Amino acid sequence: DSGVTQTPKHLITATGQRVTLRCSPRSGDLSVYWYQQSLDQGLQFLIQYYNGEERAKGNILERFSAQQFPDLHSELNLSSLELGDSALYFCASSVNAGAGETQYFGPGTRLLVL
Amino acid sequence: AQSVTQPDIHITVSEGASLELRCNYSYGATPYLFWYVQSPGQGLQLLLKYFSGDTLVQGIKGFEAEFKRSQSSFNLRKPSVHWSDAAEYFCAVGPHSGTYKYIFGTGTRLKVLA
Repeated sequence: DSGVTQTPKHLITATGQRVTLRCSPRSGDLSVYWYQQSLDQGLQFLIQYYNGEERAKGNILERFSAQQFPDLHSELNLSSLELGDSALYFCASSVNAGAGETQYFGPGTRLLVL
Repeated sequence: AQSVTQPDIHITVSEGASLELRCNYSYGATPYLFWYVQSPGQGLQLLLKYFSGDTLVQGIKGFEAEFKRSQSSFNLRKPSVHWSDAAEYFCAVGPHSGTYKYIFGTGTRLKVLA
């Protein structure tokens, strides 16, 4: 158990809908990362937050957004969902924001868009 | 462009045999280098990382990796594989400075024969 929690574990929804994925980092970690893992794209970095501020952006679609709240939990919002958004979404956290930080991954949220 | 290549999609070894998983990267400078393991239904767990210094890095679970600058490689090794090592292994790179982004390889799925 990494100490990172993600809810829900599974999510089934329809195309065009909007969902919110939640992540609680390890106690004391200030940085949160979101990743998407799909069969065709592999593991893709989406976005990083550090102490409430956006720190780095990867291959995140405009239909997706994220935020980190004052209590340091983070939410990833996915809207206008398409079939291709079906994937495993991971959250990770680290103490600080540096490139060498060890990231601790949560168990993921499996999203299925029908 | 920055990239990470794991040329072996699947590898099968017998329990007790040695293991080497290949990773090659393309980067503007020496990056941070990481190996992660993902067991079925689990998030990713850091095995080891390389920043600088000694090019042979020891990790958890008896794994080690060697950084070879001339070959742009960071191969993962284990002298004797256990059945519990069956999992998917990901190599990743990150920059020493600037906007921080992780780039992951496509993964190598390891099967261990009893």
